[in-house]
Amino acid sequence: QVQLQQSGPGLVKPSQTLSLTCAISGDTVSSNSVAWNWIRQSPSRGLEWLGRTYHRSKWYKEYAVSVKSRITINPDTSKNQFSLQLDSVTPEDTAIYYCTRGRDGYNDFWGQGTLVTVSS
Amino acid sequence: QSVLTQPPSVSGAPGQRVTISCTGSSSNIGAGYNVHWYQQLPATAPKLLMYAYSNRPSGVPDRFSGSKSGTSASLAITGLQAEDEADYYCHSYDSSLNAWVFGGGTKLTVL
Repeated sequence: QVQLQQSGPGLVKPSQTLSLTCAISGDTVSSNSVAWNWIRQSPSRGLEWLGRTYHRSKWYKEYAVSVKSRITINPDTSKNQFSLQLDSVTPEDTAIYYCTRGRDGYNDFWGQGTLVTVSS
Repeated sequence: QSVLTQPPSVSGAPGQRVTISCTGSSSNIGAGYNVHWYQQLPATAPKLLMYAYSNRPSGVPDRFSGSKSGTSASLAITGLQAEDEADYYCHSYDSSLNAWVFGGGTKLTVL
C-alpha cells in the first residue's frame, strides 16, 4: 500500500518561499509508470493542480501556467521523496496543499494535506 | 470559475438514486480525455472514487457508477446511504491549458 507523508511549515510570510516535502513509502519516486503531483485546495480556487515530476529514462517536470514562474518540484531519490517550492507567496497562496501519486491521469494516493497560511 | 462545471449541490433520501454531472468542452472531455471522480469527506483528503469514467478502484461499492456523453460525464450513486454525504469532484485534462483540471465540486446531502 502506497503512503504519502507530507511535512513542512504551516505558516509562511508574504514574499517568502513555501517549501513542502512528500515522503513516499510503498513505491519509488523514480518509478517509470507513475507521476508525482502537487495539488492545492482553497475556497476561492477549489482544487488546483500545480505541477508534477516523473521519470521516464530521464526526469520530467510540468507546471501549471498560473504558477510556472514561481514553482519548483524536485525529486529526491536518496530519500525517496519529492518536494514543492513556491516562491514569492502572497495571501492568495493560502490553501491546503496535497501531494499525490498520479497513474494514467488519475490520482490514486494522496498525502494527508498541509494547511499553509500566508500571513505576516 | 472551473473549467469543468458541476452542480454546487444535490440531495436525496436514503435508498434513492442521484446523479452528479460534469460538463466540459472540446478541449477536455470532448477531446477524449478521461474523466475521474473523487470523494472528499469532511476534513480529509480527496479519495479516488472512479477512474477513466467507469472504473472503480478496489473497495469502492458498485453502488457508484460513471458514464460519458459527448462533452459531459456523470457519476451515479444508487441506494444512497448516510455515509455517502460528501463533496464530489470530477477531474480531467485540458489540452488548451496543458493542465489537469477539476470541477468545482458538488456537495451531496443525504436527507
